[in-house]
Amino acid sequence: GNSVTQMEGPVTLSEEAFLTINCTYTATGYPSLFWYVQYPGEGLQLLLKATKADDKGSNKGFEATYRKETTSFHLEKGSVQVSDSAVYFCALIFSGGYQKVTFGTGTKLQVIP
Amino acid sequence: AAGVIQSPRHLIKEKRETATLKCYPIPRHDTVYWYQQGPGQDPQFLISFYEKMQSDKGSIPDRFSAQQFSDYHSELNMSSLELGDSALYFCASSLVGGDDYEQYFGPGTRLTVT
Repeated sequence: GNSVTQMEGPVTLSEEAFLTINCTYTATGYPSLFWYVQYPGEGLQLLLKATKADDKGSNKGFEATYRKETTSFHLEKGSVQVSDSAVYFCALIFSGGYQKVTFGTGTKLQVIP
Repeated sequence: AAGVIQSPRHLIKEKRETATLKCYPIPRHDTVYWYQQGPGQDPQFLISFYEKMQSDKGSIPDRFSAQQFSDYHSELNMSSLELGDSALYFCASSLVGGDDYEQYFGPGTRLTVT
């Protein structure tokens, strides 16, 4: 079946540090890939997405590139802020029809001033 | 833009009680999905409905049932509640066959069973 593996957290960084959260997937076929963010006590927000190989998703300074050869979709940000503290979920979905989202286990990011 | 609406946002129930969670999808979306997120866990797919028919089923307990109504809103009914049912329940909606098949998530209903 399909699965998503993320690096375990928590990840603690100082403000303005560089962020990488690794994500790899296992799937039959070519899914679309997503990063969702969940701030404390809140719901899931779509952060960025990529629908095909070599696509780069970006939003709010975050970026991730769909790498088919390594089945990866690592999340990066050049300079994190305290307000980026949240749990980040990597996820995949197949297009066409009513497909469920498969989530990774989430990575908690804590940014300290 | 209109988003997915879930009600109630918070719910406290006792063991063995029943609960009903409601989800109102984005207008013109025809598919609704339910997910359960336990404390410190990733969301797990429960069930989905397309055009008022069940389209897929995940790890939904037999004590739970759900349906989608003619106006496309959906309700998740939970009976004989257990402490382990305490979780954040998300609803998501999408438009099957559209260019944008992305699922849009609601804010969630936080259920606490005491």
